[in-house]
Amino acid sequence: EADIYQTPRYLVIGTGKKITLECSQTMGHDKMYWYQQDPGMELHLIHYSYGVNSTEKGDLSSESTVSRIRTEHFPLTLESARPSHTSQYLCASSELIGTGGDYTFGSGTRLTVV
Amino acid sequence: QKEVEQNSGPLSVPEGAIASLNCTYSDRGSQSFFWYRQYSGKSPELIMSIYSNGDKEDGRFTAQLNKASQYVSLLIRDSQPSDSATYLCAALLMYSGGGADGLTFGKGTHLIIQP
Repeated sequence: EADIYQTPRYLVIGTGKKITLECSQTMGHDKMYWYQQDPGMELHLIHYSYGVNSTEKGDLSSESTVSRIRTEHFPLTLESARPSHTSQYLCASSELIGTGGDYTFGSGTRLTVV
Repeated sequence: QKEVEQNSGPLSVPEGAIASLNCTYSDRGSQSFFWYRQYSGKSPELIMSIYSNGDKEDGRFTAQLNKASQYVSLLIRDSQPSDSATYLCAALLMYSGGGADGLTFGKGTHLIIQP
């Protein structure tokens, strides 16, 4: 049973459209992350948050933005989608204390921009 | 620049044998290391973590860490066909203030267990 939910699971959208990828978790985790993963490639951190009103950019430059208004919700928005944004987007969460690397991942959103 | 390097494989191992997966990292400041398993089309799931030099065992899995050589490995004993997956090595860099950003992942090693 998933404790972190991502919607939609698959999305095909036209160039220039604004899209929001949803991520919600029910575990009360303070830390949340967005990773981008292309087939056969490593996960790249694009955004993370340590709690409400906290957001930071990750290692991979991204044209997306995030918000963290509620602990359980960490949506990612692309204002104007382009074909280069085609990828798998994975949301994860972890506790604020502890090992720091025990992530629970959502099922992912596979985005295709045509 | 933080980097985690893995041989992408595929690594083919007979059922019942020991599978050995290796990983090197570039940042000496990295303090914690993790192995995630990712089945095709699925999300990664944590299987092992290690923080100190030496070995850590959990069931059929053993993680090994050598910070001097910047080397992490994962051994899977009595390999089963259900172990066939991509194994991702990840490192966490802790900053002096106690904070950390997210895990840095390698590309993963594709493991195939042959029945």
